[in-house]
Amino acid sequence: GAGVSQSPRYKVAKRGQDVALRCDPISGHVSLFWYQQALGQGPEFLTYFQNEAQLDKSGLPSDRFFAERPEGSVSTLKIQRTQQEDSAVYLCASSIAGVYEQYFGPGTRLTVT
Amino acid sequence: QKEVEQNSGPLSVPEGAIASLNCTYSDRGSQSFFWYRQYSGKSPELIMFIYSNGDKEDGRFTAQLNKASQYVSLLIRDSQPSDSATYLCAVLSGGYQKVTFGIGTKLQVIP
Repeated sequence: GAGVSQSPRYKVAKRGQDVALRCDPISGHVSLFWYQQALGQGPEFLTYFQNEAQLDKSGLPSDRFFAERPEGSVSTLKIQRTQQEDSAVYLCASSIAGVYEQYFGPGTRLTVT
Repeated sequence: QKEVEQNSGPLSVPEGAIASLNCTYSDRGSQSFFWYRQYSGKSPELIMFIYSNGDKEDGRFTAQLNKASQYVSLLIRDSQPSDSATYLCAVLSGGYQKVTFGIGTKLQVIP
């Protein structure tokens, strides 16, 4: 595909459930970013990968959040034991190199009930 | 103090006018500055970035940076109703490609 894709587009989870969100970056894009965007707020950085290496995970809010990109392409963001405050849109972005030309995917809207 | 400050708006301008969107940041070591546009229910898209003091123009858009005042702005000339969106300011302050976004300013262009 031509752009970044994310799945699922919508996810409803009961509090305490685990969820996995997938990001397919643009082919050949080395850099991959995850952001969390709460309603009415700007995106907040979660983590950054360069190929398969997770170079910055300082934005992950707790140890319930885990991200991986084992083969340097597809990435998965996993949230364990979801809480209501995890409800947000999770955005994935990729770029050829670095933050200067990020292309965002459509996002996954997570609602925790 | 938030690292990147924006007025959430809404900012209303008539069609054809110049829209001026402003952003201040707290980290003097910030290196690069970005403006994104986000339509309601959609993901952000990059308009332009700037890293040197002064102006940078791209079509109807001009980004202005004043590092001494820790201030960055975006001017949109000849505003169109299709420019109605939320404009996000983002700042790169070091580390591994970590940008900090502001809350965004909602722009409404009135026909």
